Formats: sequence, C-alpha cells, structure tokens
Amino acid sequence: TQLLEQSPQFLSIQEGENLTVYCNSSSVFSSLQWYRQEPGEGPVLLVTVVTGGEVKKLKRLTFQFGDARKDSSLHITAAQPGDTGLYLCAGGEVGSNYKLTFGKGTLLTVNP
Amino acid sequence: DSGVTQTPKHLITATGQRVTLRCSPRSGDLSVYWYQQSLDQGLQFLIQYYNGEERAKGNILERFSAQQFPDLHSELNLSSLELGDSALYFCASSVVTGGTGELFFGEGSRLTVL
Repeated sequence: TQLLEQSPQFLSIQEGENLTVYCNSSSVFSSLQWYRQEPGEGPVLLVTVVTGGEVKKLKRLTFQFGDARKDSSLHITAAQPGDTGLYLCAGGEVGSNYKLTFGKGTLLTVNP
Repeated sequence: DSGVTQTPKHLITATGQRVTLRCSPRSGDLSVYWYQQSLDQGLQFLIQYYNGEERAKGNILERFSAQQFPDLHSELNLSSLELGDSALYFCASSVVTGGTGELFFGEGSRLTVL
C-alpha cells in the first residue's frame, strides 16, 4: 500500500504570512493532486501535477512535484482567512486502475 | 456545488444495524468512487465503479458492499455496524476511469453508530 505523509498536521498563522506544506512518500506516483476541504463539504481539486519537477501556480498558490515523483509541496504567499481549510494531497498509483491514495491532510487556519 | 448528491447527510444508528448511503454522480460522469474519512485514518478509498461494473477495490470491509445502477447512481451498504464505522462517507465521480481526471466530491454522509 502506498502511503502519503503530510506535514505539518496543523498550521495556524496570521493573515499575510507565507507558508509551505509538504506531501512525502517512499513510492512513485503517476500524478499528484492537491485538494482543499472546508468544514461540512467534500474536497475540491486545486491542481494536478504529472511531470517530475513540474511547478504550477494558481494565484497565490504554488505547487511543485518532486523530480522523482515521490513528493510535492504547496506554498501559499500572503495567506488570507479564506485560505483556511484542510489541504489534502492525493497520489495516483502507477500501473493501477487509478486508485487515488490520500494523505491525512494539513489543517490550515489563517487568523485575521 | 460539485453536482454530486449524497443522501442522507446525517445518520445515527445503533451497533449491529444496517444502513444504505446513496450517491448521484454529476451528469455525464460514468465513474463513482466511495471514500471513508475519519480523524485517525484520513480519506480511505473503498471502491470504484465504472458504468455499472466494479473497477477497483480498496480497504472495504466484507460487511460493506456497493453497487452502481443502470442510471449510474450508486449505493453503499454498511451492515453489522460497529462503533468504529462512525465516519464521514464521501462519494465522488469523474468522467474517466483512469488517467489524471478530477474527482468531484459530494458533501458526504456523516454516520454515527451508537
């Protein structure tokens, strides 16, 4: 079973600060997705990265897929209270029928 | 609104009982996935259906079963419920069954077993 470790588990910061959360595994993934989940709702896809070393930017969010496709990071610049939520990374298993493996998530709180 | 509908939103039942959770995927999506989310285990993949056929199986207990009907809605049946089955159960749908397609999640069904 492929595992994804996310760190930190909890993060509480002030509005305007920068932050980085990590998603690591000893396994290689065919793709890596990041989702954000808000209370009472299901996860919503933010980005998909598929190429080792790939960097994608979505406004103040920067996503990076590791060269070996075993890890990923999410960097948020000038965090806002609206960024508060549970950030989940999910890896697509190589050679399987597309079973996504999710990490346990990083719970981010941005205080005004 | 993801377009995925799950019912019921909340369910409270007793140990030993059986419940059925229902999911209607987004219009046009052929794949349905079921996930269980708990505080200690995170989001765990249970099972996937594509156009009525089972395509992938994850950590689904033998007490649990699922099916996808011709109209593409899906049901997850949980029987002989135990306290540890208390969790959020999510359904997700996607257009494709493989590749890097986006999963669209419903709002979940919160099951509490007393």
